Amino acid sequence: SQQGEEDPQALSIQEGENATMNCSYKTSINNLQWYRQNSGRGLVHLILIRSNEREKHSGRLRVTLDTSKKSSSLLITASRAADTASYFCATAQGGSEKLVFGKGTKLTVNP
Amino acid sequence: GAGVSQSPRYKVAKRGQDVALRCDPISGHVSLFWYQQALGQGPEFLTYFQNEAQLDKLGLPSDRFFAERPEGSVSTLKIQRTQQEDSAVYLCASSPLAGPPYEQYFGPGTRLTVT
Repeated sequence: SQQGEEDPQALSIQEGENATMNCSYKTSINNLQWYRQNSGRGLVHLILIRSNEREKHSGRLRVTLDTSKKSSSLLITASRAADTASYFCATAQGGSEKLVFGKGTKLTVNP
Repeated sequence: GAGVSQSPRYKVAKRGQDVALRCDPISGHVSLFWYQQALGQGPEFLTYFQNEAQLDKLGLPSDRFFAERPEGSVSTLKIQRTQQEDSAVYLCASSPLAGPPYEQYFGPGTRLTVT
C-alpha cells in the first residue's frame, strides 16, 4: 500500500505561474524525496530533504518539510510548459532501503 | 553516461504465459530496486538487491514473481503464469550506495499487458 497522498491530484496553470503540490505521509521518515515522471517515461529525482531539515532549494524548486504534521510541499516557481509531468513524493522510513511513493500530482502547464 | 536501461520496453503476454523483464543498472551501482506501477498510481516497491544479495522481497505480490541478480549487475524479474492483474509498468532503479536510500536512478520501465 502507498504511504503518501499528494494534493491536489491534478493541477493546471499558465506558464509563468507558480505551482504548489503537497504531500502527506503516515510514519516517521529518514528522508523525503520528490520525483518527476513525464508521460511514458521513468522517474527523475528532483530533490531530497532529510528529516532534520525544514526547507531546501534547487533552482526553481523549493521543498519544505514539517515532520510534526507529516507533510511536505513542492513549489515550482515561474513554471514552464516543459514542467508538465506527474510529480511524486517518496519517503524513506527508518533503516529501510525502499522508497514508498504517493499517488502523484499531475501538473499541466499551459503555454 | 548511460543510464538505467530496461528491456523489452513493451511486452504483451497471454494469460498463463511466463515473462522475463531485464534491467541493466548504471555501472558500479550497488543497489537495485524493482517497482510496479499501475495506471494512474505511484510506483510500489517489489524487491531490493544489494550487489547479488536479495535483501528484501516482501513487496513481491505472489510466489509467481521471482527476481535475481546473479552477478551483482544485470537483474531479471520473472513472472510465471501471468494474470491480468499483473498488467502494469515495471520500473527498475539503481543507486550507487547501500544503506538508507539516497536518490534512485530509474529506467524507462517495461509496460506489460496481459491479455
